[in-house]
Amino acid sequence: KAGVTQTPRYLIKTRGQQVTLSCSPISGHRSVSWYQQTPGQGLQFLFEYFSETQRNKGNFPGRFSGRQFSNSRSEMNVSTLELGDSALYLCASSLAEVGEQYFGPGTRLTVT
Amino acid sequence: DQQVKQNSPSLSVQEGRISILNCDYTNSMFDYFLWYKKYPAEGPTFLISISSIKDKNEDGRFTVFLNKSAKHLSLHIVPSQPGDSAVYFCAASSISSGSARQLTFGSGTQLTVLP
Repeated sequence: KAGVTQTPRYLIKTRGQQVTLSCSPISGHRSVSWYQQTPGQGLQFLFEYFSETQRNKGNFPGRFSGRQFSNSRSEMNVSTLELGDSALYLCASSLAEVGEQYFGPGTRLTVT
Repeated sequence: DQQVKQNSPSLSVQEGRISILNCDYTNSMFDYFLWYKKYPAEGPTFLISISSIKDKNEDGRFTVFLNKSAKHLSLHIVPSQPGDSAVYFCAASSISSGSARQLTFGSGTQLTVLP
């Protein structure tokens, strides 16, 4: 079974631009969560989607948004990019309400 | 405020010996705990989990212990192997408050297993 895939793997953007990252969960998984990893703040929860509905949201500004499609694929969008948004963005999928989340390799976003 | 803390940024052990990684939490709503391993340029890989109704869970060389009164958990790796060298993250969530999939992570511990 294929794992969680994320595209693109690397991205360079300029301050003020917007970016869209994509995540394809493991087949059959309906929950997708997004996390941001930075050297200063570590791994932080962004939001979680289940059956196209946002179930939980972390403490991030409204510039960070996401959505989930009927095939469970998910996208996250960051508008008006800031230098501090440079990070590794990780997507994770899970099968059950309780249990492990399986992470993708991440998208490395650099904002210049 | 850090709700999940891993106070040791790094740990070195000899191959074949026991590795003990520690994690403390402050949020009493947390009732599900997980350990992940992460190599550079890869996403975290799930290792083992434990529910708050248990105090121990074992899977092969990995055992997680939970002390609810102390709000402390630990991961034991026996025997340690060079391939275990990675960053280990402790994570917690709250099933009871409907946030089972909202993981709060610790800052990680870099484990180095010396041959």
